[in-house]
Amino acid sequence: ILNVEQSPQSLHVQEGDSTNFTCSFPSSNFYALHWYRWETAKSPEALFVMTLNGDEKKKGRISATLNTKEGYSYLYIKGSQPEDSATYLCAFRAGANNLFFGTGTRLTVIP
Amino acid sequence: ETGVTQTPRHLVMGMTNKKSLKCEQHLGHNAMYWYKQSAKKPLELMFVYNFKEQTENNSVPSRFSPECPNSSHLFLHLHTLQPEDSALYLCASSQEGPGGSETQYFGPGTRLLVL
Repeated sequence: ILNVEQSPQSLHVQEGDSTNFTCSFPSSNFYALHWYRWETAKSPEALFVMTLNGDEKKKGRISATLNTKEGYSYLYIKGSQPEDSATYLCAFRAGANNLFFGTGTRLTVIP
Repeated sequence: ETGVTQTPRHLVMGMTNKKSLKCEQHLGHNAMYWYKQSAKKPLELMFVYNFKEQTENNSVPSRFSPECPNSSHLFLHLHTLQPEDSALYLCASSQEGPGGSETQYFGPGTRLLVL
């Protein structure tokens, strides 16, 4: 079992604020890093798959960066909206199939 | 909403019961997964099937028995469970190998309570 850590565990921000969270993972045997968004009572939704050191991905107001040498990824949300409230999961992939998940960052955006 | 469906969404069972969870994916993927999420713990991989063949069993107790009759369907048969098995059970699928995105797509999960 590989250790994937996410911080903070939870976060409350005001609507319109920008925010970011961190995913730390082992820096060896890197294959891919996945970010998911998980709203209560729904399915986890894939946001990004990142494979190369220095990768930056963007989807609307959400973006992510990757540093495989030091073993971390940041997820940024610009101008948070109430609909961004969810748990954001990262998952580290060391090889075929297996994803190792962090416990997530629970974001609440206050209108 | 998603290409991966799970039934039932909620299940309450006694420790002597036998029940099954069902997962169906409509995405044409070649791999399917069972995950368990207990309170305040990360998603934990239980089983992996590639092309209907089980390729991973993450030291899961034998009271959990998976079945993959074809690449679109996955079952998790439950028998003589313990209260500590109460959790959210998620199914996922992905397209592995050349040309595949390898992103796992999840169902909404089955919330299981063992009394």
